[in-house]
Amino acid sequence: DVKVTQSSRYLVKRTGEKVFLECVQDMDHENMFWYRQDPGLGLRLIYFSYDVKMKEKGDIPEGYSVSREKKERFSLILESASTNQTSMYLCASSSGTGLYNYGYTFGSGTRLTVV
Amino acid sequence: AQTVTQSQPEMSVQEAETVTLSCTYDTSESDYYLFWYKQPPSRQMILVIRQEAYKQQNATENRFSVNFQKAAKSFSLKISDSQLGDAAMYFCAYEDGGATNKLIFGTGTLLAVQP
Repeated sequence: DVKVTQSSRYLVKRTGEKVFLECVQDMDHENMFWYRQDPGLGLRLIYFSYDVKMKEKGDIPEGYSVSREKKERFSLILESASTNQTSMYLCASSSGTGLYNYGYTFGSGTRLTVV
Repeated sequence: AQTVTQSQPEMSVQEAETVTLSCTYDTSESDYYLFWYKQPPSRQMILVIRQEAYKQQNATENRFSVNFQKAAKSFSLKISDSQLGDAAMYFCAYEDGGATNKLIFGTGTLLAVQP
C-alpha cells in the first residue's frame, strides 16, 4: 500500500524555535507538496517541489522554507515559529501533471501548536 | 488567479438519501482538471473523483458522481445512497494542467450523515 508518512501527528513548540516537519513517500513520486489547513480557509499551498533540490513557492511561503535532498523526502522548516503558524500541516505527493495527474496521496497530517 | 468556492460550510443528509455538494471555480484556462477529496475524521485525505475539463461526460465512481457545467464553471458532487461512512469534510480542488500539478482547494463542506 502506497504511503506518505509524516513524522509526527502532534507537535507543541515554543515561539522562536526552529521547527522541522518531515514527510517521506514510498511511491517514487516526482512532485511533493506542503499545505496548511485552517478552519474556514481550506488548504493553502506553502511550498512544492517537482524534483530533487527543486522548490517553488506556493501561496503562503512567508515564514517557511523547505528542503528536498532526496526524492522521497520533503521537509518543511519553520525558521522561527510564531503563534500564527499554529495549524494542521498536510504533506502530499503525486506523479505526473495534467492528464497524467491522478490525484495526490496525502499524509495523515501534523497538528502543530506554537505556544 | 484561479479560485475555488464552496458556499456550503456544512450539510446534512439522512442515511440512504442523496446529497449534492456545490463547488464553483474561476479560471480563464480552457484545459484544467477538477477533483473532489474526502477527509474523514481520521484526517487522511483521499481522492473521491476526478474530472477532465475537455470531457463533456460527467465522471462517476460508484455512488459518487459529478455534475460538471463548464460554461457555468460549476462542479458539484452528488452522493447517492448516503452511508454513515460518508460523513467527512469534502474539498473541491482545481488544477490548471500546466507544468506543475499544484492544486487549489476550496474551503470545504462538512457533511453529516444522520442515521
